Amino acid sequence: KQEVTQIPAALSVPEGENLVLNCSFTDSAIYNLQWFRQDPGKGLTSLLLIQSSQREQTSGRLNASLDKSSGRSTLYIAASQPGDSATYLCAAPGYSSASKIIFGSGTRLSIRP
Amino acid sequence: NAGVTQTPKFQVLKTGQSMTLQCAQDMNHNSMYWYRQDPGMGLRLIYYSASEGTTDKGEVPNGYNVSRLNKREFSLRLESAAPSQTSVYFCASSYETGSYGYTFGSGTRLTVV
Repeated sequence: KQEVTQIPAALSVPEGENLVLNCSFTDSAIYNLQWFRQDPGKGLTSLLLIQSSQREQTSGRLNASLDKSSGRSTLYIAASQPGDSATYLCAAPGYSSASKIIFGSGTRLSIRP
Repeated sequence: NAGVTQTPKFQVLKTGQSMTLQCAQDMNHNSMYWYRQDPGMGLRLIYYSASEGTTDKGEVPNGYNVSRLNKREFSLRLESAAPSQTSVYFCASSYETGSYGYTFGSGTRLTVV
């Protein structure tokens, strides 16, 4: 059974800092891993999708890496801004239950001006 | 570029009432999903439809039914609402299960009193 864990649950940093959010998963036989952003009271916005054959994906100030062997993914945010404040979730399916994508509980990020 | 559209956005039901949550996508995706999101529980899969004409149970299907009306539409029905079904419901779609990323709707906030 796939389990996805995100640590820390909450993070507060001053504006301008570079930061890393962590995601770990137990079933390494994944098709892909996806990072989402969720603003309070809103839906989920897809940030990055890393296929199992890839090691990282970049979009603007965001860079996500995937290490299947260790069961870990990281989301790197460069030069953080107050607008980056949101909850970040990672999600991974498994080959054995690919249709049942499993979400981590999220990291609530707050960027202090 | 509507993506995934959910209706209604908000709903208050009395215990025992029934209602249907509607979801439609215009991305020609084959797979569709219903999730619920609760504080401290994260996102949990209720039902999914891997392709038109098929539906399967997810992690928390009790108290719900679904209908894949056509390729675009996937509805979630509460036959007899209970306070435990108070939650935020999200519909999502993907080109196929497993190897493709998910697109989410903006959610339906349901309160059962």
